[in-house]
Amino acid sequence: SQKIEQNSEALNIQEGKTATLTCNYTNYSPAYLQWYRQDPGRGPVFLLLIRENEKEKRKERLKVTFDTTLKQSLFHITASQPADSATYLCALLWNYGGSQGNLIFGKGTKLSVKP
Amino acid sequence: DVKVTQSSRYLVKRTGEKVFLECVQDMDHENMFWYRQDPGLGLRLIYFSYDVKMKEKGDIPEGYSVSREKKERFSLILESASTNQTSMYLCASSGLHENNEQFFGPGTRLTVL
Repeated sequence: SQKIEQNSEALNIQEGKTATLTCNYTNYSPAYLQWYRQDPGRGPVFLLLIRENEKEKRKERLKVTFDTTLKQSLFHITASQPADSATYLCALLWNYGGSQGNLIFGKGTKLSVKP
Repeated sequence: DVKVTQSSRYLVKRTGEKVFLECVQDMDHENMFWYRQDPGLGLRLIYFSYDVKMKEKGDIPEGYSVSREKKERFSLILESASTNQTSMYLCASSGLHENNEQFFGPGTRLTVL
């Protein structure tokens, strides 16, 4: 069965540095990977999607890469700020059915950005 | 502003009680999901629905049932609550487009005593 892993439970970095979070998966490559942000006591919020035929996707200070050879996605936050502190989840589509499908979520990486 | 709302933010129930968790979305989405989230275990899918009156089991359906009588509403039912069902419950919805982005509600923190 498909599995998804986020290697670090927690990541602590200094403000202004680049945070890099890792997401690995087993078995087949999904059509795309998604990244979500979750603040304490709240539901996840969608940030970015990257497709299997895309190497890189950017949105403001966020950058996501997708390496189907390594079966890995990297999520970068450049010029990190304390407000970026949150848990970040990666998710992949596991059920192909046209436009429908379910997501498998990683357990998340809790990012703390220190001033 | 698009929204997924859940009936309660916090809920305390006793073992053996029947518990209803309600979820409503205003985006006319076809797909709706119920997850539970526990420390160290991440988000786990309980049930999902791709259409009205349709339901499918997710990874951990035991002890739960669902109802979807209207497109905008998806209810999670704990037939007889147990202490191991103490958790954060999250509802989500998504539309029929290629991104499958899921929109989540704020969650219900359920405690079963």
